[in-house]
Amino acid sequence: KAGVTQTPRYLIKTRGQQVTLSCSPISGHRSVSWYQQTPGQGLQFLFEYFSETQRNKGNFPGRFSGRQFSNSRSEMNVSTLELGDSALYLCASRTTTFQETQYFGPGTRLLVL
Amino acid sequence: GENVEQHPSTLSVQEGDSAVIKCTYSDSASNYFPWYKQELGKRPQLIIDIRSNVGEKKDQRIAVTLNKTAKHFSLHITETQPEDSAVYFCAASNNNDMRFGAGTRLTVKP
Repeated sequence: KAGVTQTPRYLIKTRGQQVTLSCSPISGHRSVSWYQQTPGQGLQFLFEYFSETQRNKGNFPGRFSGRQFSNSRSEMNVSTLELGDSALYLCASRTTTFQETQYFGPGTRLLVL
Repeated sequence: GENVEQHPSTLSVQEGDSAVIKCTYSDSASNYFPWYKQELGKRPQLIIDIRSNVGEKKDQRIAVTLNKTAKHFSLHITETQPEDSAVYFCAASNNNDMRFGAGTRLTVKP
């Protein structure tokens, strides 16, 4: 099976702009989670989508949102970008629950200037 | 919510020695504990995991132990090799989210 893919791989934006990141899970995986990875804060859980519904959410402001489509592909949107949003954004997919192995995508590296 | 602490933040060992990384968690509802290895510029990859109904699990040179009472779990790597050099993350998961430790940068010196 093909692995988790993310697009784009690299992105440069300026403060105040918005950005949309895309994640295609492994075929058959219905759960997609998003994480932010920074040197200072490590890996932080943003949210999880399952069957087109946000099932769980971490402690991030409302500027961070997402959605999932019927084919399980997911998008993450960040509005009104801040310098501190510069990070590696990773998505991960699993079959259904958090007790199953999750597989990470390669990430999208976002730089906000 | 869940809080996961991981120690040490850096670890340097000689090739062939053992390495131990420890994590503690706060949420007694956590029931799944994976460990990920992340090499520079690459995605995190699962190396071993353990569920709360098991105390120990081993896979070749890697083992994980879980103490539910004390709420801590550890990763043990024996006979370390230079290719084991990477950042290792522990995580704890309940039914609602997964929280990660801050990571341990392991360096194996040849």
